[in-house]
Amino acid sequence: EVQVVESGGGLVQPGGSLRLSCAASGFSFSGYGMNWVRQAPGKGLEWISYITYSGSTKYYGDSVKGRFTISRDNAKNSLYLQMNSLRAEDTAVYYCARHEWFDTWGQGTLVTVSS
Amino acid sequence: DIQMTQSPSSLSASVGDRVTITCRASQGIRNDLGWYQQKPGKAPKRLIYAASSLQSGVPSRFSGSGSGTEFTLTISSLQPEDFATYYCLQHNSYPRTFGQGTKLEIK
Repeated sequence: EVQVVESGGGLVQPGGSLRLSCAASGFSFSGYGMNWVRQAPGKGLEWISYITYSGSTKYYGDSVKGRFTISRDNAKNSLYLQMNSLRAEDTAVYYCARHEWFDTWGQGTLVTVSS
Repeated sequence: DIQMTQSPSSLSASVGDRVTITCRASQGIRNDLGWYQQKPGKAPKRLIYAASSLQSGVPSRFSGSGSGTEFTLTISSLQPEDFATYYCLQHNSYPRTFGQGTKLEIK
């Protein structure tokens, strides 16, 4: 079964850092680009980042550019999101989604930025 | 950036109704569009890809159409499990952008 599972969410103070992980299984992870998408409480979906299958190219949304870094470890079938300088408005459920066409999503991990 | 304007933002309908949701792109995106269903507390689920192709396992009452700047998602006969929020997503260029969502509620 094709599956992605996020982890690493939690409560963090404004200005703090957090690293999210996304573990992939059931497919050849190294052959797929991957995305991070978030959803603030009661709000819509916001794409935040994409990384190509090799990790050589990365894209970011304006709201996270310069603060968040996407990366991957194909040997570990894992995707990461390093989040620095966190703000209250970064509070959201963070999803990883497979491929440029977003065909498979994880269940999400909640990040709460609050003092 | 490509803006995706989705309408309506909410819709009240009954079981058995035919429902149409529209997404308009601010510039042409060929058929680089997907439709997603999201239920409360759950991850989005892809229904349609490439604007009109039905995701495997999705009931045939769901259909998509359009190309360029105008796209529609149609549910031919609403079932109780279809009451959810629906989003379109363009993957033609970066940044990827979603429509604002359509909340489909029971009348």
